[in-house]
Amino acid sequence: DAGVIQSPRHEVTEMGQEVTLRCKPISGHNSLFWYRQTMMRGLELLIYFNNNVPIDDSGMPEDRFSAKMPNASFSTLKIQPSEPRDSAVYFCASRPGTGRSQTQYFGPGTRLLVL
Amino acid sequence: QQPVQSPQAVILREGEDAVINCSSSKALYSVHWYRQKHGEAPVFLMILLKGGEQKGHEKISASFNEKKQQSSLYLTASQLSYSGTYFCGTETYGGSQGNLIFGKGTKLSVKP
Repeated sequence: DAGVIQSPRHEVTEMGQEVTLRCKPISGHNSLFWYRQTMMRGLELLIYFNNNVPIDDSGMPEDRFSAKMPNASFSTLKIQPSEPRDSAVYFCASRPGTGRSQTQYFGPGTRLLVL
Repeated sequence: QQPVQSPQAVILREGEDAVINCSSSKALYSVHWYRQKHGEAPVFLMILLKGGEQKGHEKISASFNEKKQQSSLYLTASQLSYSGTYFCGTETYGGSQGNLIFGKGTKLSVKP
């Protein structure tokens, strides 16, 4: 079975540009998470969806970040405009159910560099 | 709210043992352990659901002390392949269902 798929794997952009990260969760999984990983702050939850509905976006840094999940097999994380401090690895993860104690499966990540 | 992991880093020789600790200030429902190799995604190792529960995965095992709000990961007879950064993810009673808050990680290096 295919795991979580993310694209692009690497993105280099200039400050002020719009960046769109994409994620395809594991088929049949009902929850999807977006994380950001940096050396300073570690692995931070940005937002998560249950059954395509955003449940908690309190981790989204500011209005420049937005996330959507139009259907069960696709989600996007958009940064507009991007800033150098947004440089990080962005992971998408999915899990089978919406309840407690469900294992999360991570995608390979997108390495974002904003110049 | 972020769990505290200790030590931050550890260097071992092949065959040596290590213990990684994860402590929370909040009551824990479950603890999830992951390993991440450089440039790769975190990979799930095991989940501990009940106070006192212990689990094993190859020569890697873990325990969960619900009263102390902490979990420990035990690596015995370490192998080169165990190198990586180990994260605990904690699920708290007060938090959103299924949300994990990750510690900053413990970097483990196993030398020949």
